[in-house]
Amino acid sequence: GAVVSQHPSWVICKSGTSVKIECRSLDFQATTMFWYRQFPKQSLMLMATSNEGSKATYEQGVEKDKFLINHASLTLSTLTVTSAHPEDSSFYICSARDGDRVKPQHFGDGTRLSIL
Amino acid sequence: RKEVEQDPGPFNVPEGATVAFNCTYSNSASQSFFWYRQDCRKEPKLLMSVYSSGNEDGRFTAQLNRASQYISLLIRDSKLSDSATYLCVVNTNAGKSTFGDGTTLTVKP
Repeated sequence: GAVVSQHPSWVICKSGTSVKIECRSLDFQATTMFWYRQFPKQSLMLMATSNEGSKATYEQGVEKDKFLINHASLTLSTLTVTSAHPEDSSFYICSARDGDRVKPQHFGDGTRLSIL
Repeated sequence: RKEVEQDPGPFNVPEGATVAFNCTYSNSASQSFFWYRQDCRKEPKLLMSVYSSGNEDGRFTAQLNRASQYISLLIRDSKLSDSATYLCVVNTNAGKSTFGDGTTLTVKP
């Protein structure tokens, strides 16, 4: 149980393109999902917490107008990287919890974003 | 000081060795604890939860010491496939998850 699906797994785009990444909880409902970014050989960095039916909570230093998050249902959150540039190239991973706040997070497969 | 600290390693051990990782946390309100493994260029995967009484899953044993605010992971009879980065994760009762930077393990033949 507790499967999180992320799509697409790999994106290569030209600079200036906007890219949408989907995160779905397949066998449970998630009122909260999390978006992370990870650069090579670095640790996971929490970007934002996505809340179903309300605005996302962004971590300090993360531009909310750059990284648009929509959590329209209990099983889907999307992250849109607007006007992406090469410095946005990274590994983006979503996660969700199946249950209350003390439960572990389950991660999607990740999306490898390369901006040319 | 980071909220969750791990020895980054790398730990290089031969097959069959026993290896232990420690992780310390600073928030005394922490409620739940987990170990994840992350393979290169992949997402983290839950390895095991850590319970107050300690718990074991095959070759893996996790321990929690609330008084000293650390958790540990012991891997016995290391396999080549155990090579990965091991992440310590701590949840507060408010739902905030804090990740350690990870400990890298390489098991060699």
